[in-house]
Amino acid sequence: KAGVTQTPRYLIKTRGQQVTLSCSPISGHRSVSWYQQTPGQGLQFLFEYFSETQRNKGNFPGRFSGRQFSNSRSEMNVSTLELGDSALYLCASSLKTGNIQYFGAGTRLSVL
Amino acid sequence: AQSVTQLGSHVSVSEGALVLLRCNYSSSVPPYLFWYVQYPNQGLQLLLKYTSAATLVKGINGFEAEFKKSETSFHLTKPSAHMSDAAEYFCAVVKGGSEKLVFGKGTKLTVNP
Repeated sequence: KAGVTQTPRYLIKTRGQQVTLSCSPISGHRSVSWYQQTPGQGLQFLFEYFSETQRNKGNFPGRFSGRQFSNSRSEMNVSTLELGDSALYLCASSLKTGNIQYFGAGTRLSVL
Repeated sequence: AQSVTQLGSHVSVSEGALVLLRCNYSSSVPPYLFWYVQYPNQGLQLLLKYTSAATLVKGINGFEAEFKKSETSFHLTKPSAHMSDAAEYFCAVVKGGSEKLVFGKGTKLTVNP
């Protein structure tokens, strides 16, 4: 069974631009969560989607948004990029709430 | 709010030595606790999970962790370190019914030959 797939693996953007990251969960998994990893703040929860509905949201500004499609694939969008948005963005999927979350390899975003 | 504290941002051991990575949690209700490992340029891989079924949890790659409620600890151990264990290890907690994992700051393990 294929794991969690995140695309692209690497991105370079400039300040002010916007970016969209994609996550394909493990087949059959309906919950997708997103995390930001930086050296300074560590791993921080962004949001979680289940059956196309956002169920939980972390403490991030409104520039960070996401959505989930009917096939459980998820995208996250960051608008008006800032230098501080440079990070590894990780996606995790699980079968249902309370189950183990399986992580993708991440998308490394560099904002110049 | 739930949180975890990992003592020691860097731990160095010799190959064959005991590995002990410390994690203390703060939770008002029995939590679900996890240990994840991250190798360079990769995502997180689950090592083991505690869900109250047993206090001693065995994971992959020879790792295990013991849940001690009296000490609010969930330390990760491995009897004999291998060079391939060099990675960063994260302890995490989640409240039942939630998907929001709260991670510790991580402990980078170095294994010396």
